[in-house]
Amino acid sequence: AQKITQTQPGMFVQEKEAVTLDCTYDTSDQSYGLFWYKQPSSGEMIFLIYQGSYDEQNATEGRYSLNFQKARKSANLVISASQLGDSAMYFCAMREWPSNTGKLIFGQGTTLQVKP
Amino acid sequence: NAGVTQTPKFRVLKTGQSMTLLCAQDMNHEYMYWYRQDPGMGLRLIHYSVGEGTTAKGEVPDGYNVSRLKKQNFLLGLESAAPSQTSVYFCASSYSGATYGYTFGSGTRLTVV
Repeated sequence: AQKITQTQPGMFVQEKEAVTLDCTYDTSDQSYGLFWYKQPSSGEMIFLIYQGSYDEQNATEGRYSLNFQKARKSANLVISASQLGDSAMYFCAMREWPSNTGKLIFGQGTTLQVKP
Repeated sequence: NAGVTQTPKFRVLKTGQSMTLLCAQDMNHEYMYWYRQDPGMGLRLIHYSVGEGTTAKGEVPDGYNVSRLKKQNFLLGLESAAPSQTSVYFCASSYSGATYGYTFGSGTRLTVV
């Protein structure tokens, strides 16, 4: 069965430093997609980055990169040069493919606090 | 472009009352979903729909019903609200396809007293 595990309930990082948020996943499928979402205190869910299981390069979107290690089934989010606005909850999610439901399975989330 | 619109944003219900949450998307997405978010429990899927006229149960469907009469709308109903249904509810929609994630609505904060 699909499962996403985020082992860090809460993390602190100093402003301008890099931080890695851990995500491991469990799937028996070869084809899947991995997603990260950000949820600031205002509550909305913001899509950050996507990695496909067949993508050879790690995904990057501005200050966000995804450290994808397929053999270890990990998809860690790296935020470079942290900013105060990065303080939020972050969710890792997975979608297996093909799928007749398109469901994303979410981890429990990691709360990140950026210290000035 | 509105994306996914949820109404209402906030609501307080008394135990036993009923209400309907509306989700509307303007992106022609096939798939739509209702989640609830509770502290420490992440996002849990209530019901979902893979197309107009179809619905299916998620992991926590009890106490909720849904309908998708039009492709762009997905309604979540609470027939007899209970305090355990106090939560933040999110609607999401998506294209079919592996690379497409969800577009989320802004959420509905529901309190049942």
